[in-house]
Amino acid sequence: EAQVTQNPRYLITVTGKKLTVTCSQNMNHEYMSWYRQDPGLGLRQIYYSMNVEVTDKGDVPEGYKVSRKEKRNFPLILESPSPNQTSLYFCASSPWTGGRSPLHFGNGTRLTVT
Amino acid sequence: ELKVEQNPLFLSMQEGKNYTIYCNYSTTSDRLYWYRQDPGKSLESLFVLLSNGAVKQEGRLMASLDTKARLSTLHITAAVHDLSATYFCAVDMTGGADGLTFGKGTHLIIQP
Repeated sequence: EAQVTQNPRYLITVTGKKLTVTCSQNMNHEYMSWYRQDPGLGLRQIYYSMNVEVTDKGDVPEGYKVSRKEKRNFPLILESPSPNQTSLYFCASSPWTGGRSPLHFGNGTRLTVT
Repeated sequence: ELKVEQNPLFLSMQEGKNYTIYCNYSTTSDRLYWYRQDPGKSLESLFVLLSNGAVKQEGRLMASLDTKARLSTLHITAAVHDLSATYFCAVDMTGGADGLTFGKGTHLIIQP
């Protein structure tokens, strides 16, 4: 089944404890992206990647890192999480067709930082 | 900076009624997407509108795009309870390279 898989689905952590949220897609998509969703703010892009070893900042990159060593994986790293990073995170992917394909979203990771 | 505004942000309506959600965006783009999100779930793609005047329909939902007015509409015909969800529009600013900018979403509740 074609899908974007995020893990974990739920995560509670403490301020400053490094964490990684994994994202993997099995559709051979070139483009991958991370969004955070907050009430009243919609979805905001954190980072995106157009292919292996190519990543760039989105609208809200502060406090996050990403890597794209393999085409299928695009982990999101929080080196020193803070309470304002409590949010619902979505990974998404699409084939690179000049931006004309819709994104396929993972099921989300709900992160709480205390 | 691309801004995407949806109206209304919250809508409660009766089954059987018609209604329209509006999506305005601030810069030139010819690609607009509509997504649906059920409570606690991920986002599901509904429509991709790729040119001025594009119209797409799926069941009771119809989406249209007017690139000159920088406006897209999502029209709901004879609403049913199963259409209750949050609907997002999203726009590309360039050729998709920078990713999508989303509106804040329209939370739609359809009451029997």
